[in-house]
Amino acid sequence: TQLLEQSPQFLSIQEGENLTVYCNSSSVFSSLQWYRQEPGEGPVLLVTVVTGGEVKKLKRLTFQFGDARKDSSLHITAAQPGDTGLYLCAGSNTGNQFYFGTGTSLTVIP
Amino acid sequence: DSGVTQTPKHLITATGQRVTLRCSPRSGDLSVYWYQQSLDQGLQFLIQYYNGEERAKGNILERFSAQQFPDLHSELNLSSLELGDSALYFCASSVRGLNSPLHFGNGTRLTVT
Repeated sequence: TQLLEQSPQFLSIQEGENLTVYCNSSSVFSSLQWYRQEPGEGPVLLVTVVTGGEVKKLKRLTFQFGDARKDSSLHITAAQPGDTGLYLCAGSNTGNQFYFGTGTSLTVIP
Repeated sequence: DSGVTQTPKHLITATGQRVTLRCSPRSGDLSVYWYQQSLDQGLQFLIQYYNGEERAKGNILERFSAQQFPDLHSELNLSSLELGDSALYFCASSVRGLNSPLHFGNGTRLTVT
């Protein structure tokens, strides 16, 4: 099993603050995805990163894939209550198998 | 709407019973994945199918089985249910191709009493 550790596990911040979530593994992945899950729903894809060192921006969200393709980070600028949810990273290998991180539960307080 | 349909949404049953969870993948997706999500275990990979054939197995118990049919829908069968099997069960689908992401259904919440 290829394990991905996410930190922090829980995060509660005020609206307008910045935050970073980390996803670390000892395994190399062919790609890494970030998903957000809201209560009662399935995870929804936010982004896929493929190239080591790649940085992708999605409005206030910035995703980075580590140079060695073992780790990733998600940075949110000026968090809003609508950002509240469970953030999951997932690494995929060449067999298209997906291994999910332990999750980061984010609460943004208005 | 992800295009992945799971039924039923909720299922309440007793220990020792058997249930079947159903998943219809997005149109055109040949791969189907099953995941179990519980509070203390996170999202655990159970099994993957591609075009009717089993491709990979994860932490799936022997009491659980799955299959993918010619029309590409999939079923997950859970038998001899135990209290610890209570969880959210998600189905996801993807197109074939390296790095294609997963599209999840909204899950089936199973409660074993």
